[in-house]
Amino acid sequence: EVQLVESGGGLVQPGRSLKLSCVASGFTFSNYGMNWIRQAPGKGLEWVAYISSGSSYIYYAETVKGRFTISRDNAKNTLYLQMTSLRSEDTALYYCASRGRDGSSDYWGQGVMVTVSS
Amino acid sequence: DIQMTQSPSSLSVSLGDNVTFTCEASENIYGFLAWYQQKLGKAPKLLIYGATNLEDGVPTRFSGSGSWTNYSLTISSLEPEDIATYYCQNNHVYPHTFGAGTKLELK
Repeated sequence: EVQLVESGGGLVQPGRSLKLSCVASGFTFSNYGMNWIRQAPGKGLEWVAYISSGSSYIYYAETVKGRFTISRDNAKNTLYLQMTSLRSEDTALYYCASRGRDGSSDYWGQGVMVTVSS
Repeated sequence: DIQMTQSPSSLSVSLGDNVTFTCEASENIYGFLAWYQQKLGKAPKLLIYGATNLEDGVPTRFSGSGSWTNYSLTISSLEPEDIATYYCQNNHVYPHTFGAGTKLELK
C-alpha cells in the first residue's frame, strides 16, 4: 500500500524558516517525480513545486520561487520542502503527492499544517 | 502561466442526477488535464488523467472529455459519496495550475 506521510509543520513567525518532510513507502520512491501542493484554509489547491525522480528537473510556483527549495533523498525515501522568508500567505495545509500518469498527482499524503503568524 | 477556469463554482444537485461541469484553460494544454475529487477534511483524490482516462479504482460513472482548451467532467447518476469539491489541473506545462474548483451541494 502506497503511503506518504508529511511532517515538520507548525506555527512559525513571519520571516522565519521551516522544513517539511514527506516519507514514502509502498512504492519505488526513486522512480517517481514528486510534488508539493498546498491549500490555504477554506481555499482551493495551489501547486507549489516539483522534483523529478533523480532531482534533475525542479520547478516552482512564482509565489514561492527564491524562498522555497524542494529536494529529495532517495536512499531515505524522503521528500523535503525547505521554506524560508515565510509570509502569512504561506499559511496552508501542505500535501506531498507522487507524479502519476500524464503528469497528474496520483497518491497524496494526509497533509501537514503550516501557520505563519506572529 | 496557464489559467484554469472552472464553472460553475458551485452546483446544487440531487441524487441520481447526471452532472457535468467544465474547465477551460487559457491556452491549449493538449489533453494534459487531470480531475480531482476532494471531500471535506480529506486529501484530494485523482479521478481522471489525460483528460479522458479513468484512474484505477474510480467508479465508471465518472468520465472526462475535452481537448485543446475546453474540458469537462461528467458524473452519471450521482451517488451520495460524490458530494465533494472537484478540481481540474493543467498537467501540460509547469506551473501545474489548478482551477478554483466546483463544489457540489445537495438540494
